Amino acid sequence: QSVLTQPPSVSGAPGQRVTISCTGSSSNIGAGYDVHWYQQLPGTAPKLLIYGNSNRPSGVPDRFSGSKSGTSASLAITGLQAEDEADYYCQSYDSSLSGSSVFGTGTKVTVL
Amino acid sequence: QVQLQESGPGLVKPSETLSLTCAVSGYSISSGYYWGWIRQPPGKGLEWIGSIYHSGSTYYNPSLKSRVTISVDTSKNQFSLKLSSVTAADTAVYYCARALGWLTSDWYFDLWGRGTLVTVSS
Repeated sequence: QSVLTQPPSVSGAPGQRVTISCTGSSSNIGAGYDVHWYQQLPGTAPKLLIYGNSNRPSGVPDRFSGSKSGTSASLAITGLQAEDEADYYCQSYDSSLSGSSVFGTGTKVTVL
Repeated sequence: QVQLQESGPGLVKPSETLSLTCAVSGYSISSGYYWGWIRQPPGKGLEWIGSIYHSGSTYYNPSLKSRVTISVDTSKNQFSLKLSSVTAADTAVYYCARALGWLTSDWYFDLWGRGTLVTVSS
């Protein structure tokens, strides 16, 4: 059971803006640890989308943006495209127990 | 460019040990970085299993720590995963990945292998 909670699904029409939340607690996001985001297209390995809360690796379109506030983080996709239909996961560090990298529960983005 | 490739048995019997290897090409493991294993049960989310530094220091998910061993072989430029006493709950696609970040709390995974499905069944 993940300590980072995401909505199971979000949807939007092409061109619209959608946001995905990642809710944590005082032992992970709220403790100041960075949040990272991954995109997983069907049948493929996850791909790094955002690192360090809001940084995009080379090659990731600027339609994708990340932010963090308090115990939550968000991924925004503007100008939604059909190719954005995928699963999205947040990831951070949790200091409880012995410390661990943790992933969010995942969100399926559907382009209507 | 840097590539990672998982290999190992696709079928493991319950109570036995799952063993996988990740071969790294295009980069020498001994030069640095952390290297990790992540798994994904069919239709479910991602779970970090553990990571290893090129020097051999290891870090494990507390929920799996008692059953996991990760090792590195710099001469073969690969690192390995062993998961003991497996059950059907360990059936998953297993990914190897490179982790960036100065501290373990900074880790993010920038390069991933394609993944390999391991089924636990008699």
